[in-house]
Amino acid sequence: DSGVTQTPKHLITATGQRVTLRCSPRSGDLSVYWYQQSLDQGLQFLIQYYNGEERAKGNILERFSAQQFPDLHSELNLSSLELGDSALYFCASTPLLRSGGLDTQYFGPGTRLTVL
Amino acid sequence: DQQVKQNSPSLSVQEGRISILNCDYTNSMFDYFLWYKKYPAEGPTFLISISSIKDKNEDGRFTVFLNKSAKHLSLHIVPSQPGDSAVYFCAASTSGKLIFGQGTTLQVKP
Repeated sequence: DSGVTQTPKHLITATGQRVTLRCSPRSGDLSVYWYQQSLDQGLQFLIQYYNGEERAKGNILERFSAQQFPDLHSELNLSSLELGDSALYFCASTPLLRSGGLDTQYFGPGTRLTVL
Repeated sequence: DQQVKQNSPSLSVQEGRISILNCDYTNSMFDYFLWYKKYPAEGPTFLISISSIKDKNEDGRFTVFLNKSAKHLSLHIVPSQPGDSAVYFCAASTSGKLIFGQGTTLQVKP
């Protein structure tokens, strides 16, 4: 157990809909990262928040947005969903702003989104 | 533009033998390289890392080798155990972001 929790575990919805994925980082971790893993793809970095502020952006679509709340949990909002948005969405957390060899990211179990 | 590539989608080895997982990268600015292991229905878990200033890091059965001139990274698992069967992702770090490869599925046969 990494200490990072994600809800829900599974989500099935229809095209055009909007969903919210939730992530609670490890206790004390200030940074939250969101990743998307599509079929046969590696993890694609979407966005990072640190202590409530957006700090880095990756390949995140304009239809997607995220925020980090004062209690440090984070939500990823996906709107106008398309079939291609079906994927596993992971969040990860670290204590500090940077991550790398000394500041490993700890991943949650993921949310599997299916868009029909 | 795939900055981190794992060209072998799968690898099968016999229990007790060596498993070698490979990873290539293109960005010379990467400063840390990491390996993560992922079981089904779980998130990736950190396995081992190496700084770009080193060429080898060892942790028990796991050793990571870095060849900067070739922009190549490898993970050696010796001896391999059935419990090592999982998807292995290599990742490279720059500016606080992790760039992941596509993953290699390792199967260790008893």
